[in-house]
Amino acid sequence: DADVTQTPRNRITKTGKRIMLECSQTKGHDRMYWYRQDPGLGLRLIYYSFDVKDINKGEISDGYSVSRQAQAKFSLSLESAIPNQTALYFCATSESSRASGANVLTFGAGSRLTVL
Amino acid sequence: RKEVEQDPGPFNVPEGATVAFNCTYSNSASQSFFWYRQDCRKEPKLLMSVYSSGNEDGRFTAQLNRASQYISLLIRDSKLSDSATYLCVVNKKKSSGDKLTFGTGTRLAVRP
Repeated sequence: DADVTQTPRNRITKTGKRIMLECSQTKGHDRMYWYRQDPGLGLRLIYYSFDVKDINKGEISDGYSVSRQAQAKFSLSLESAIPNQTALYFCATSESSRASGANVLTFGAGSRLTVL
Repeated sequence: RKEVEQDPGPFNVPEGATVAFNCTYSNSASQSFFWYRQDCRKEPKLLMSVYSSGNEDGRFTAQLNRASQYISLLIRDSKLSDSATYLCVVNKKKSSGDKLTFGTGTRLAVRP
């Protein structure tokens, strides 16, 4: 099984629909992240969480919300999807700041979302 | 100016060639640096961290030039399996935590 699992892997939806992307990890990492990737723009951070009670906005959080249900679970919601949210979404994890691998990200396989 | 800039490529090279990618960063306070590899439609995976003294892992060599604010990745004896997009990642420590910034990637195509 993958260390970081994302569901669904592919989703096509319509404008205005609510969508949830889920992420779970077995690495025991404290930190979890949601990124989106668009051609020519690279990976951009949407939200991140350093532990269960810590949620922070990234550079492009508008139109998104997150929930850290447990150390191992971090979900991303689009309350009312719009076409420019069509993208490839990645969940990632990393160790806490004291660990030597604190800035090394382990990514899930990605969730491809299309909003019509 | 972008915080992290990479030549998007593609770099199209024959098997066995040596190829080098550069990545420039704008924030002189950046503290740690990485190269990730991303295959088409797959997730990025860490290729190597970049240390101040430079580091080598088999056919791959990474170097950091703080004065000129760039990092480089050298691939020797290119293999077909090296075809991928290579992402430069720069980390800056902030009071609110570390900030990782990704470049848009350099695409490498190795041909037979």
